[in-house]
Amino acid sequence: FELTQPPSVSVSPGQTASITCAGDKLGDKYACWYQQKPGQSPVLVIYEDNKRPSGIPERFSGSNSGNTATLTISGTQAMDEADYYCQAWDSSYVGFGGGTKLTVL
Amino acid sequence: EVQLVESGGGLVQPGGSLRLSCAASGFTFSSFEMNWVRQAPGKGLEWVSYISSSGGIIYYADSVKGRFTISRDNAKNSLDLQMNSLRVEDTATYYCVRQGDTEAFDYWGQGILVTVSS
Repeated sequence: FELTQPPSVSVSPGQTASITCAGDKLGDKYACWYQQKPGQSPVLVIYEDNKRPSGIPERFSGSNSGNTATLTISGTQAMDEADYYCQAWDSSYVGFGGGTKLTVL
Repeated sequence: EVQLVESGGGLVQPGGSLRLSCAASGFTFSSFEMNWVRQAPGKGLEWVSYISSSGGIIYYADSVKGRFTISRDNAKNSLDLQMNSLRVEDTATYYCVRQGDTEAFDYWGQGILVTVSS
């Protein structure tokens, strides 16, 4: 079960960043997204395609349809610079995307 | 406050064994499914293993099947990962991860480094 993400995405502060995650029939599964900053453990930012855990800013949103899930960060801030990973369950297996490094410049 | 604290990591030779433990607190451990996820140095996340809340259902990634064994002790609020026949490519930071009601991995430990090298 393979999930494919772009290795890197760049965005200017205040603009919208979109990170995609592609997988066979991914839209039939729930997609989650994690943020990982250097030297830290991953943090869940989106679950069940588009839900935010408590404490996650509203600028983080998600969607999932067809073969692609998308994480969108609106009004991107410098503090959002991090690695982002998508994840989904496929029967008895968990797949992670390879990760996307988001650069805010 | 949910806390997951891993222990047992370190340096081991190829072919050797190591047992990781995770001490859970701040939540009803017996009600939650748990996982181990690893991250090789400078690489992405890789799921390793899953165990249901009762311990009756277990899954493994193909890369560790037959070599690693996940277990839990709900009376002691602990999760273990017995790693045998270790390979250089098993070198990674291993995370103990709680799975929430929604299939998402909602809490992660701080991670423990396992280095397999001669």
